[in-house]
Amino acid sequence: SQQGEEDPQALSIQEGENATMNCSYKTSINNLQWYRQNSGRGLVHLILIRSNEREKHSGRLRVTLDTSKKSSSLLITASRAADTASYFCATQNQGGKLIFGQGTELSVKP
Amino acid sequence: GAVVSQHPSRVICKSGTSVKIECRSLDFQATTMFWYRQFPKQSLMLMATSNEGSKATYEQGVEKDKFLINHASLTLSTLTVTSAHPEDSSFYICSALVGGNFNTGELFFGEGSRLTVL
Repeated sequence: SQQGEEDPQALSIQEGENATMNCSYKTSINNLQWYRQNSGRGLVHLILIRSNEREKHSGRLRVTLDTSKKSSSLLITASRAADTASYFCATQNQGGKLIFGQGTELSVKP
Repeated sequence: GAVVSQHPSRVICKSGTSVKIECRSLDFQATTMFWYRQFPKQSLMLMATSNEGSKATYEQGVEKDKFLINHASLTLSTLTVTSAHPEDSSFYICSALVGGNFNTGELFFGEGSRLTVL
């Protein structure tokens, strides 16, 4: 079962611009994670934010979490062509299951 | 980071045959592994939770007799797609929990196995 939705489903930007992706979920969570997937490949873990955290940074990535709205956002600053990929949010509950959102397909044009 | 290896990365089989996909944790022990399937342009759907030494827990709608999961050791879980049909063609991805604790452990994913059933 899918936890929630991501928007936009697809995002096309120019190199150097910022990319913002949003994720909403439905149930209570232990943490929320963001992953990246290049076409036909496995997943790469980007960042994990716990339910008691509101914002987290990692390099050019900034993640926010609003548990009252059950939503999260991923901001990629100064995007590069190499950032082109699909990005998924995933929520993990107390039972440990990781449930993925629908994903955002990001295209960064050089 | 921890390494999870999946094999084979690609497999083509005839309808009616069975296919086994292996998921190995190379440098750590994983008591819990998860199996996902992903259709083109779609998200990952959790199929089942694989626990070492016990029966797998399947998600609603996933046929346990169709997708056999065996987690015989702390470093290996296998998914067997039995009597495969073209609609089983998909990308299958496993992940392994490092640390054994869902609250603090981290999940690492294999590179996935693309199954094509003719």
